[in-house]
Amino acid sequence: DQQVKQNSPSLSVQEGRISILNCDYTNSMFDYFLWYKKYPAEGPTFLISISSIKDKNEDGRFTVFLNKSAKHLSLHIVPSQPGDSAVYFCAASVTSGTYKYIFGTGTRLKVLA
Amino acid sequence: GAGVSQSPRYKVAKRGQDVALRCDPISGHVSLFWYQQALGQGPEFLTYFQNEAQLDKSGLPSDRFFAERPEGSVSTLKIQRTQQEDSAVYLCASSSSWEPQSSYEQYFGPGTRLTVT
Repeated sequence: DQQVKQNSPSLSVQEGRISILNCDYTNSMFDYFLWYKKYPAEGPTFLISISSIKDKNEDGRFTVFLNKSAKHLSLHIVPSQPGDSAVYFCAASVTSGTYKYIFGTGTRLKVLA
Repeated sequence: GAGVSQSPRYKVAKRGQDVALRCDPISGHVSLFWYQQALGQGPEFLTYFQNEAQLDKSGLPSDRFFAERPEGSVSTLKIQRTQQEDSAVYLCASSSSWEPQSSYEQYFGPGTRLTVT
């Protein structure tokens, strides 16, 4: 049973426009969420995170929104740049006494120049 | 500074062979994780070490999988009698957290791509 779902396997966006990547989760115990970015032949790189006590976290061009009632989070990238083209993974965890991340299956973002 | 390194980067094994995958975490990082990433999937947790103690091995898929971190730094993931379904990228990650709290960012290595023929 997939606890973290990324239902869009791929997304194409024009350079300069907004990219919105979505993630849904089923486990209401999750209280910490992260986005990782992965280029081919490299390991995932941390992008941004959010605790369940917040509904928004911003870091430069990247903003993560969390809707706990809908068990949904999204990553907004604005403006999108060609260098943002990568696979984006959403991950969730329970911070009390656990440490492992549960990852989604990823969304491949392609930013068109 | 140096990140997490893994070796070998690529490994081809014949079915039934044993393999050993190495992870060098970031110096001083207490926590070390192994994940398995099958093609088209996200990474899946295998096991976790805090220093030399293996605190969670619930994700190891069978008793053919064994991990160790004897001196609390370098870790080795060993797979005995490899099967085709073991083909995947094996990712190692380390974290500076003193306690097993996932609120601390995990830094990933580039992975070892294992192909079992």
